[in-house]
Amino acid sequence: AQSVTQLDSHVSVSEGTPVLLRCNYSSSYSPSLFWYVQHPNKGLQLLLKYTSAATLVKGINGFEAEFKKSETSFHLTKPSAHMSDAAEYFCVVSEAGGYQIVTFGIGTKLQVIP
Amino acid sequence: NAGVMQNPRHLVRRRGQEARLRCSPMKGHSHVYWYRQLPEEGLKFMVYLQKENIIDESGMPKERFSAEFPKEGPSILRIQQVVRGDSAAYFCASSPLGQVTDTQYFGPGTRLTVL
Repeated sequence: AQSVTQLDSHVSVSEGTPVLLRCNYSSSYSPSLFWYVQHPNKGLQLLLKYTSAATLVKGINGFEAEFKKSETSFHLTKPSAHMSDAAEYFCVVSEAGGYQIVTFGIGTKLQVIP
Repeated sequence: NAGVMQNPRHLVRRRGQEARLRCSPMKGHSHVYWYRQLPEEGLKFMVYLQKENIIDESGMPKERFSAEFPKEGPSILRIQQVVRGDSAAYFCASSPLGQVTDTQYFGPGTRLTVL
């Protein structure tokens, strides 16, 4: 069975400061991990994904995430927050087992203060 | 290449009516997934379909909910005799191969309001 824990339901940062959104996962098999972003009343957009290649994954809009197997973590970071980054972010795990079923975290709402 | 299309974007129903939500996957994608997002919650998996087959419906309520993905046309999520608790955003996603490493591409969602 797989699960995802997003450790913060809300994160608030000042514009221009670093962003850290935390995610821990549990998986019985080698997982694939994803971060999606959802702007208000919009669909979900893929930011980046990890699929057992390089452990440091670079995504769109300056975001990146590092897969740490020993810590079962996949935290999302960005060096400098922009106002347009204000949104909800979901960490997602997908594990091998015949076909793809993903599990979503509950989401982290990122607020960016001018 | 158009993305995943969902319609309607907003749907209002009275209790006891039926709701039909449509999803057209990306071109070339034959795997469709439906999710429900309740207010202040993450997305919950409902059902996974391939053309003409339901692969996994473990997240679907046993009563009133059904899904199909016919050979031709969009995937349909059908909710019969809606209740207020069905009010949510319903998202459809598609992927090309249904593999673990696939990216699921999401539609804009249908926001269902039950009066």
